Amino acid sequence: RKEVEQDPGPFNVPEGATVAFNCTYSNSASQSFFWYRQDCRKEPKLLMSVYSSGNEDGRFTAQLNRASQYISLLIRDSKLSDSATYLCVVTPYNQGGKLIFGQGTELSVKP
Amino acid sequence: DTAVSQTPKYLVTQMGNDKSIKCEQNLGHDTMYWYKQDSKKFLKIMFSYNNKELIINETVPNRFSPKSPDKAHLNLHINSLELGDSAVYFCASSHGFGSNQPQHFGDGTRLSIL
Repeated sequence: RKEVEQDPGPFNVPEGATVAFNCTYSNSASQSFFWYRQDCRKEPKLLMSVYSSGNEDGRFTAQLNRASQYISLLIRDSKLSDSATYLCVVTPYNQGGKLIFGQGTELSVKP
Repeated sequence: DTAVSQTPKYLVTQMGNDKSIKCEQNLGHDTMYWYKQDSKKFLKIMFSYNNKELIINETVPNRFSPKSPDKAHLNLHINSLELGDSAVYFCASSHGFGSNQPQHFGDGTRLSIL
């Protein structure tokens, strides 16, 4: 079983749609959680950290459920520029800060 | 100025050769990392250094040898390149190696083995 598993993609949605990505992780000792975004042939970039209380940044809302070991990302009013691969990322406790990446979910927003 | 810069951006070479990739960060971070992204786009940690000291070594073949001359630089030397080494290699840095520290990535080195 992979340490971090994400919805298989690709997700093809029209502009203005709301889209949700799910992610599960296997290590209950995981400590920090992130969503990164990776554009085609580019480096991953931090989109947002994910906190237990849930957090929002503009059109993006992230949720964490530690009991279920589940992370989600909701994108509202999607834009063409949101097209990218979204990576669910987990860092285990006391392992030197290494990031464990999910395989990514590709999002394509169409006009 | 680029925060995390890697050179070269592209590297095409023959199997069996030895090559190096360089990484420099100007963010004042203490911790640097190397990740490998394979043909299936899966990103995986290889090494990390904190203030020139090796912190993580993730069962990478010993043909791969990282070197950190100072905390702003982390280079990766690869001996006897194999076809399976073809991938994109990303360098990253963070302020300390606590698990809540976001990491900043370089734009990658695309290594192709012929």
